[in-house]
Amino acid sequence: QSALTQPASVSGSPGQSITISCTGTSSDVGAYNYVSWYQQHPGKAPKLVIYDVDSRPSGISNRFSASKSGDTASLTISGLQTEDEGDYFCASYTTSNSWVFGGGTRLTVL
Amino acid sequence: QVHLVQSGAEVKKPGASVKVSCKVSGYTLSELSMHWVRQAPGKGLEWMGGFDPEHGKTIYGQKFQGRVTVTEDTSTDTTHMELSNLRSDDTAVYYCTTSGEDTALAAFAYWGQGTLVRVSS
Repeated sequence: QSALTQPASVSGSPGQSITISCTGTSSDVGAYNYVSWYQQHPGKAPKLVIYDVDSRPSGISNRFSASKSGDTASLTISGLQTEDEGDYFCASYTTSNSWVFGGGTRLTVL
Repeated sequence: QVHLVQSGAEVKKPGASVKVSCKVSGYTLSELSMHWVRQAPGKGLEWMGGFDPEHGKTIYGQKFQGRVTVTEDTSTDTTHMELSNLRSDDTAVYYCTTSGEDTALAAFAYWGQGTLVRVSS
């Protein structure tokens, strides 16, 4: 199972919006609505910010939104804040009953 | 609320095995579906294996088949991940993770603090 494809980095200024893409195949992202997104700060464990393509866990800001079209999922963060800076990973359940992560995207808030 | 506490850092020689532990609190291990994910230095997350409740068994990532074994001790609510025949590229932080009390949730909502395993001769 190959890793999902994410851009290596994205950046934005405070208050702006950014979108991170996550491209898979018909065997993972395109197969189920089981795409999730994780935020990770340096030296910390990942934190779930989106599940089931576009649902936010309790306590996650509504500045985080997500969607999916075909084999590509997207995470949008609006009203960027300095605390949003970090690494973001997508993940998907697969038709092999396994899980696959994206390579990760480094978000820099300028 | 699920809380996961992992065992401490390990240094191993190539060819050796390592066993990382993850103790669950807040819920019993039998109520949860546990998974293991690793992250090499400066790299992305990599799913190693975990319990699939739909099929009632532990599934392992193809890359780790034959080298990884996940076991559970329900008497202590502790899950263990053993990786054998270690190589230098197994140097990574290893995380236990789970969807939590909602086993139907297809995501990893709770994470341990991570265990650094360094493989060096």
